[in-house]
Amino acid sequence: KAGVTQTPRYLIKTRGQQVTLSCSPISGHRSVSWYQQTPGQGLQFLFEYFSETQRNKGNFPGRFSGRQFSNSRSEMNVSTLELGDSALYLCASSPGDEETQYFGPGTRLLVL
Amino acid sequence: DAKTTQPTSMDCAEGRAANLPCNHSTISGNEYVYWYRQIHSQGPQYIIHGLKNNETNEMASLIITEDRKSSTLILPHATLRDTAVYYCIVKYYGGSQGNLIFGKGTKLSVKP
Repeated sequence: KAGVTQTPRYLIKTRGQQVTLSCSPISGHRSVSWYQQTPGQGLQFLFEYFSETQRNKGNFPGRFSGRQFSNSRSEMNVSTLELGDSALYLCASSPGDEETQYFGPGTRLLVL
Repeated sequence: DAKTTQPTSMDCAEGRAANLPCNHSTISGNEYVYWYRQIHSQGPQYIIHGLKNNETNEMASLIITEDRKSSTLILPHATLRDTAVYYCIVKYYGGSQGNLIFGKGTKLSVKP
């Protein structure tokens, strides 16, 4: 089976812009979670989607949003980018309520 | 906050067993112990998980103490490619509490 894929892998944006990141889960997986990793804060949970519904949300401002499509692919959006949003954004998928999450390679976002 | 305590760093000689400890003294009965590792700037890789019995797979062994307050991840024959940050995570099984809470992990350096 192909693993979790994320696009794009690298992205450069400027402050105030918005960005959309995409995640394709492992075939058959219905749950997609997003994480942000920065040197200062480490790996932090953003949100989880299951069957197109946001099921769990971390402590991030409303500028961070996401959605999941009927084919389980997910996107996350960050509006009004700030310098502090520069990070590695990771997507993880799992079959469903079974808990093991498998991570993609991440999208590295640089905000200038 | 992470519910686990791990040493900040460890060294291991190539070919020897690497034993990575983790304390999780507040673990509850329906929480699993998960181990992931992250090689520099890549997505975290799932290694193994367990509830109370010792577990083994092709990558590693997980030894959980009888009182479940601590565990040890064992890489039986460490190679240079095992150099990574290893995360021990305690996680509720299933349902909507699907997020992983990462601590700072243990940076394992395998040396020739």
